[in-house]
Amino acid sequence: EPEVTQTPSHQVTQMGQEVILRCVPISNHLYFYWYRQILGQKVEFLVSFYNNEISEKSEIFDDQFSVERPDGSNFTLKIRSTKLEDSAMYFCASSEGAGGSGANVLTFGAGSRLTVL
Amino acid sequence: SQKIEQNSEALNIQEGKTATLTCNYTNYSPAYLQWYRQDPGRGPVFLLLIRENEKEKRKERLKVTFDTTLKQSLFHITASQPADSATYLCALPWTGGSYIPTFGRGTSLIVHP
Repeated sequence: EPEVTQTPSHQVTQMGQEVILRCVPISNHLYFYWYRQILGQKVEFLVSFYNNEISEKSEIFDDQFSVERPDGSNFTLKIRSTKLEDSAMYFCASSEGAGGSGANVLTFGAGSRLTVL
Repeated sequence: SQKIEQNSEALNIQEGKTATLTCNYTNYSPAYLQWYRQDPGRGPVFLLLIRENEKEKRKERLKVTFDTTLKQSLFHITASQPADSATYLCALPWTGGSYIPTFGRGTSLIVHP
């Protein structure tokens, strides 16, 4: 069964450092997403990406964050200068369509746990 | 603003019984509602989708109902098994006009053998 893969599974970094989280979405999916989950809290939407540009972003996705699709398969999330409160599990997801009558059924990766010290 | 409410207390049931989880929402009329399962340290896994014009949806031991008047969905697992123990998340389309799923906090289900 096709799956979304994420690397690294766990990253520890110092506050102020840049972090790049990587994802390989399902190959025939057109829409890509990043969500995060702080320990014990709900899964929160960060950003969606379609046709090589951001289609939606939440209030959490500020100037410290950026996304990129550097080639035909990878989808990355960059945090420019990490803060303690960025410690969370970051999930990449992809979907075939974008909702409406089709609805968004998301396939998630296993996540990248980010620990900021 | 849109709110999605799921019981934060864990639901403990005996194996073989039916588990019923609740999702309530306010300030929105969603075109559909989704349920996902999340195991500890893992990403959510899609289970079922029900549209606003559907009252009930079934998949194997799973059943979802959707009452747009009450603004509530119920998620049932019949003949529950210890392997069903997980957190179950309700998701609705985002209020921003797109259809990006927004998640509730989830309810933890613990099935005792």
